[in-house]
Amino acid sequence: GAVVSQHPSWVICKSGTSVKIECRSLDFQATTMFWYRQFPKQSLMLMATSNEGSKATYEQGVEKDKFLINHASLTLSTLTVTSAHPEDSSFYICSARDRLLAGATFYEQYFGPGTRLTVT
Amino acid sequence: DAKTTQPPSMDCAEGRAANLPCNHSTISGNEYVYWYRQIHSQGPQYIIHGLKNNETNEMASLIITEDRKSSTLILPHATLRDTAVYYCIVRRAGGTSYGKLTFGQGTILTVHP
Repeated sequence: GAVVSQHPSWVICKSGTSVKIECRSLDFQATTMFWYRQFPKQSLMLMATSNEGSKATYEQGVEKDKFLINHASLTLSTLTVTSAHPEDSSFYICSARDRLLAGATFYEQYFGPGTRLTVT
Repeated sequence: DAKTTQPPSMDCAEGRAANLPCNHSTISGNEYVYWYRQIHSQGPQYIIHGLKNNETNEMASLIITEDRKSSTLILPHATLRDTAVYYCIVRRAGGTSYGKLTFGQGTILTVHP
């Protein structure tokens, strides 16, 4: 199946700094990518939907100025956590929807392996 | 999208079938049932999906009741590597929310030796 990678797999940063997480679709083009956040022992929560070439759509309660999303190409989306604080420590997961299946009633959404962010 | 209800946890002996139930009593006619699983500290993995007919693939079988208000994911011969959180998600095809997956709490399946 299609592969989605994330980089870095884990990162530790100091409070007040910014961290960028990359999400890449390795063998397919993704017009749409999704960013999720997962706190310990909790389920995945969708943060935003990222469409190539346009502004991301954020879920209610997610600060768009704090979580900057850029989807500049069909294979890369980035999430930048600005002025990170300890409460931003979480597991961030991206997923990508295969462009070839767009318009079909069923699509496959491929998930990345996740990025563990720890803010000290 | 319809809400789903799953038991918080289940146990299964290695080599036996694991049957994971999901209730989705408010499902509407154009909504599909999807199953994903998440092994600890990894991203979710797609397992199977269906609309109203039973489905089978190399990983699992999906049994949907005739009234579509509930479904069961069957792992025919569970292994230790099947220990994971299993998510049942109901969502419609198309529409403005096209592509969004709403994850509930899922079922923690523990496979014992």
